[in-house]
Amino acid sequence: EVQLVESGGGLVQPGGSLRLSCAASGFTFSDHYMDWVRQAPGKGLEWVGRTRNKANSYTTEYAASVKGRFTISRDDSKNSLYLQMNSLKTEDTAVYYCARRERSSGAFDIWGQGTMVTVSS
Amino acid sequence: QLVLTQSPSASASLGASVKLTCTLSSGHSSYAIAWHQQQPEKGPRYLMKLNSDGSHSKGDGIPDRFSGSSSGAERYLTISSLQSEDEADYYCQTWGTGIHGVFGGGTKLTVL
Repeated sequence: EVQLVESGGGLVQPGGSLRLSCAASGFTFSDHYMDWVRQAPGKGLEWVGRTRNKANSYTTEYAASVKGRFTISRDDSKNSLYLQMNSLKTEDTAVYYCARRERSSGAFDIWGQGTMVTVSS
Repeated sequence: QLVLTQSPSASASLGASVKLTCTLSSGHSSYAIAWHQQQPEKGPRYLMKLNSDGSHSKGDGIPDRFSGSSSGAERYLTISSLQSEDEADYYCQTWGTGIHGVFGGGTKLTVL
């Protein structure tokens, strides 16, 4: 079964750090670009960032709202995607989803179930 | 700037059909999109990729009741024979060179 499972969410104080993980299974993880998308309570989906695959040098892009604070990485040997979040703000409170990009397009064709991050004092 | 516009809400009766719209901003009418469904308290689910010519490819296990079509800058998702489990938020998403992740604001579908 093709699956993405996020973990690592929790409560953190403003200014703190958190690392999210996404475990992939059921497909060749190393072939795909992978993204993080978040959803604040009661709001819509917001793209956070992306990592390309090895063939494209694992390059990354980020949304302006998180650039310089968040870092996406991956370990193809472990079929895992990561999101390191530093200098967290209250507005980063959201459910964080990892998503797989379809190889032939930019469509997100597999989603995880999400992990909740709450930034509050 | 590439923007996707969706109506905030829609409603239709059980067993009926509904057509949801996603509109691409000016100058971007050739872009493909993807439709995603998000049922309450769940993660999003990929429904289909929809091209500007109306051709579409659905995700695994997506029922035939879900179909897509296009006209100009508008991309449509039609759900026929509405069921209670179709009550959900529906998001469109697009991509392109230098455009990494753009979502519409979502449409909340109520099944009456």
